[in-house]
Amino acid sequence: GNSVTQMEGPVTLSEEAFLTINCTYTATGYPSLFWYVQYPGEGLQLLLKATKADDKGSNKGFEATYRKETTSFHLEKGSVQVSDSAVYFCALTTYGGSQGNLIFGKGTKLSVKP
Amino acid sequence: SAVISQKPSRDICQRGTSLTIQCQVDSQVTMMFWYRQQPGQSLTLIATANQGSEATYESGFVIDKFPISRPNLTFSTLTVSNMSPEDSSIYLCSVAKLTGRRYEQYFGPGTRLTVT
Repeated sequence: GNSVTQMEGPVTLSEEAFLTINCTYTATGYPSLFWYVQYPGEGLQLLLKATKADDKGSNKGFEATYRKETTSFHLEKGSVQVSDSAVYFCALTTYGGSQGNLIFGKGTKLSVKP
Repeated sequence: SAVISQKPSRDICQRGTSLTIQCQVDSQVTMMFWYRQQPGQSLTLIATANQGSEATYESGFVIDKFPISRPNLTFSTLTVSNMSPEDSSIYLCSVAKLTGRRYEQYFGPGTRLTVT
């Protein structure tokens, strides 16, 4: 079946460090891929997305490239800030980016220290 | 975008009781969903709330345990029935809105439920 695997957390970084959170997936067909972020005490927000191979999603300095050959969608940011501290979820849907069942990874908690 | 509110934001309940969670959206949407996020776990889809018909439940979830209402296009409720400590989770309402040619999902702030 379809599934998403994220690197285990928590991840603790110093401010301005480089961030990578690994995400790989297993899916039939051509999934759309997403990164969601959950800041402390807040709801889940869409951070970025990519709907086909080689697409790069980007937002707020975060980037992720849809790599079909490695079935990956790793999240990166060149210089993290304290305000980036949150839980990050990788997710996919196989309905061509339409509504439907979003399948989530377990989430990776990021803590950024000043 | 969509602004979603949920009530209550959190609750502590005794086992054997039931809790109804409300989800309100600021605009009409076709698709509404309910997810569960167990402690330290990923989000799992419970069901799709269909307006005017019975909800569509995912494997492992049944209507008797999680009855859902969807009286109109902006509102839904999820009831967690006959609760046990295993039901302690965050319950999230989600909606899908058409953006261009694709749907985008938005999530409510969640309801944190603790069952003692």
